[in-house]
Amino acid sequence: NAGVTQTPKFQVLKTGQSMTLQCAQDMNHNSMYWYRQDPGMGLRLIYYSASEGTTDKGEVPNGYNVSRLNKREFSLRLESAAPSQTSVYFCASSEVLAGDTRADTQYFGPGTRLTVL
Amino acid sequence: QKEVEQNSGPLSVPEGAIASLNCTYSDRGSQSFFWYRQYSGKSPELIMFIYSNGDKEDGRFTAQLNKASQYVSLLIRDSQPSDSATYLCAVNKDTGFQKLVFGTGTRLLVSP
Repeated sequence: NAGVTQTPKFQVLKTGQSMTLQCAQDMNHNSMYWYRQDPGMGLRLIYYSASEGTTDKGEVPNGYNVSRLNKREFSLRLESAAPSQTSVYFCASSEVLAGDTRADTQYFGPGTRLTVL
Repeated sequence: QKEVEQNSGPLSVPEGAIASLNCTYSDRGSQSFFWYRQYSGKSPELIMFIYSNGDKEDGRFTAQLNKASQYVSLLIRDSQPSDSATYLCAVNKDTGFQKLVFGTGTRLLVSP
């Protein structure tokens, strides 16, 4: 049981290049999330998917697109990378504990460290 | 005003002491509250959550919630050097689905 996996672990892009960050979970969770973490800003939600087939914008969606490929996989795409997108990107998935949505618990992947030059 | 506020620290405590980490939130409709621990260069991992006023204990950790004061705290008893990390407070406003708003975290340093 690997939990939440992300690829790649590190990536360096030039301004204007595109790339897709991959995320997969093997916990049979319905909900998946993409965050970015920047110094002094904390974790900020980019996009989320409440269930297979649905995606919604979070707090900072500009410059990103997502695809919920199936229940396991949720990818994040940067179409034209900018230096402002230099960050650490975390994928997470969540389950509901004991049938109570207040106790919905998110599990995070190891992160992708992205640098845009 | 930030939705979730934490003192960035560092909070320094000696080994064996009680570490007290605090968090305030602005939305009175917030339903549940989470504490995550994040070691340097690693991903956040859940310590515990709380959604009822009062205290909730789990081993050396106690979460305290006061909705009237919009305040949640985490106490770590018998602090160990391995507890040195950044502690993130997160708040969920939506009872139907979990969309967390995170604070920027408090860095805890436990000295031997």
